[in-house]
Amino acid sequence: KQEVTQIPAALSVPEGENLVLNCSFTDSAIYNLQWFRQDPGKGLTSLLLIQSSQREQTSGRLNASLDKSSGRSTLYIAASQPGDSATYLCAVKGNSGGSNYKLTFGKGTLLTVNP
Amino acid sequence: GAVVSQHPSRVICKSGTSVKIECRSLDFQATTMFWYRQFPKQSLMLMATSNEGSKATYEQGVEKDKFLINHASLTLSTLTVTSAHPEDSSFYICSVQIGRVDEKLFFGSGTQLSVL
Repeated sequence: KQEVTQIPAALSVPEGENLVLNCSFTDSAIYNLQWFRQDPGKGLTSLLLIQSSQREQTSGRLNASLDKSSGRSTLYIAASQPGDSATYLCAVKGNSGGSNYKLTFGKGTLLTVNP
Repeated sequence: GAVVSQHPSRVICKSGTSVKIECRSLDFQATTMFWYRQFPKQSLMLMATSNEGSKATYEQGVEKDKFLINHASLTLSTLTVTSAHPEDSSFYICSVQIGRVDEKLFFGSGTQLSVL
């Protein structure tokens, strides 16, 4: 059974700081890994999707890396802003067709960027 | 713009009533939709996979007779929580697979259900 762990559970940083969020998964047989942002009481916004054959993806101030063999991914946020405050979720999609390529989520990291 | 529309965003109901949540794929046909549930400070957990024109596939531990899923068209899936109880209070959210399985999932805005 796939398990996804995110560390830290919460993080508070001053504006402008660079930061790294960590995600680990127990089963390396994944199809892809996706990072999401969730604002309180709202849906999820997809940030970055990394296929199992890829090592990293970048979008603006965000960079996500994937080391499938070690079961790890990181989300790097450069020059953080108060608007980045949200919960960041990591999710992996299994590559077993019998499980409908199920997406397994971590509990998330609650990020607060202070002005 | 939004790819997935989910309604209502918030429901408060009495114990024993049934609640229907709609998930619509805007501008795209979605043969597969997913329903998730999230309790406070917990991960999103997949409840069921909704397939257009066929019965939904439920995850282990999810009661299919309590959480009725109907995916009658390529753009609409509904989740009905029947005879809701306080322990069903949770954040319910749908997602849509558009395109190939290696592509992104798009999520609705979620429904916060509170059962009194």
